[in-house]
Amino acid sequence: SYVLSQPPSVSVAPGQTARISCGGNNIGTKRVHWYQQKAGQAPVLLVYDNHNRPSGIPDRFSGSNSGNTATLTITRVGAGDEADYYCQVWDTDSDWVFGGGTKLTVL
Amino acid sequence: EVRLLESGGGLVQPGGSLRLSCAASGFTFSSCAMTWVRQAPGKGLEWVSAISGSGFSPYYADSVKGRFTISRDNFRNTLYLQMDSLRPDDTAIYFCAKEVAGDPSPFDYWGQGTLVTVSS
Repeated sequence: SYVLSQPPSVSVAPGQTARISCGGNNIGTKRVHWYQQKAGQAPVLLVYDNHNRPSGIPDRFSGSNSGNTATLTITRVGAGDEADYYCQVWDTDSDWVFGGGTKLTVL
Repeated sequence: EVRLLESGGGLVQPGGSLRLSCAASGFTFSSCAMTWVRQAPGKGLEWVSAISGSGFSPYYADSVKGRFTISRDNFRNTLYLQMDSLRPDDTAIYFCAKEVAGDPSPFDYWGQGTLVTVSS
C-alpha cells in the first residue's frame, strides 16, 4: 500500500515561513492535496492538484511537488494558522491515502 | 451554500450495527462523488469509503471492506454508511465529504462529523 510520511510537528515564529513536507515514493507523479484542520473542526481543503488554491484560500498558502517530496509552504505565519495539516493523494492500488498529519505550532 | 449534515452516530456494542446519514444541500448532489472519512480520538484522518454520483462503483478501505456499505439516495440528496460487525477500533468521528467533481477528486466540502463509539 502507498504510504505518505509527514513530520509530526513543525514550529515557527510569527511572521516567518513554515514548510511542511509530505514524502512518498515518486509522489511527484501524483496529484497532492492539502487540508488544514483546526481543533474541534472539520478539515478544510487548502491546496489541490499540487499547487492550486480553492477560492477563499489566501495566497500565503502554496504547494509544490517533485521527486519523492511534496511541500506545503505557509508564509507570514500567524496564530490563526495553528492547526493540523494533512497531505492526500489518490493511488490506484490504495485508493485515497492521507499522510499522518503535521501539527503546526506558532511560537 | 453547500451544507453537509451527518447524523446517526452513537454508542454501540462490539459486533453491533449503525447507519450513518449525510444530508446534502446547496449543490447538484447526483453530479458529485461522495466520501466518508473518519478520525479516531487524537489520531489522523483515515479514508473509509467513496461512491460515484450515480451510485455505482463504491469502494472501501481494506479496514472496513466486507463490514461497511456505502450508498446514496439521489432523490433525497442523502449519503449513507451502513456499518456492521463494529469493532472498538471503529470508534471515531465520521465525516462525510463532497468530492470536487468526478471521482477521484479532492474533498472540497466537509460536514462537521458524527461520533461513533464502539464499546461494551
